[in-house]
Amino acid sequence: KQEVTQIPAALSVPEGENLVLNCSFTDSAIYNLQWFRQDPGKGLTSLLLIQSSQREQTSGRLNASLDKSSGRSTLYIAASQPGDSATYLCAATNAGNMLTFGGGTRLMVKP
Amino acid sequence: DTAVSQTPKYLVTQMGNDKSIKCEQNLGHDTMYWYKQDSKKFLKIMFSYNNKELIINETVPNRFSPKSPDKAHLNLHINSLELGDSAVYFCASSQLGGGPRTDTQYFGPGTRLTVL
Repeated sequence: KQEVTQIPAALSVPEGENLVLNCSFTDSAIYNLQWFRQDPGKGLTSLLLIQSSQREQTSGRLNASLDKSSGRSTLYIAASQPGDSATYLCAATNAGNMLTFGGGTRLMVKP
Repeated sequence: DTAVSQTPKYLVTQMGNDKSIKCEQNLGHDTMYWYKQDSKKFLKIMFSYNNKELIINETVPNRFSPKSPDKAHLNLHINSLELGDSAVYFCASSQLGGGPRTDTQYFGPGTRLTVL
């Protein structure tokens, strides 16, 4: 059974700082690893998807890496902005496109 | 235009009632899903469904059942509601699903269910 863990659970940083969010998973037989953003009271927005054969994906100020053998993924956010404040969720995809989510990291970027 | 929509946004009901939540996607996707997000904000898959296969998370009580009138809709029916069913329920869809060729899932805005 896949288990996904995210640390830290919460993070507060000043604007402009670079930061790293961590995600670990127990079953390395994943098809892909996805990062989502969730704003309070809202649904999830997909940020990045890394296929199992890939090592990283980039979108703007976001960079996600994947190390299947060690069961780890990181989301790097460069030059953080107050608008980045949200909960960030990682999810591992196994058979049947079933996502297993981590508990999320609540990010607060202070002006 | 909303890609994945859910109705209602809020649902308050009494224990023991039967209720449904509707989900529609206009993305032409083949696979749809239901997730539950509990009070601790943990998101868990409930169902994965396309026109060929229904995959059920074994932890989901049989009081919950997905119903798909067509490829663009996957409604969630809940019988004999219990207090512990209170949560936010999210619908999602993806172009591919059910095998190694997986892709991004697009989520609806959620339905907050409160059982009194």
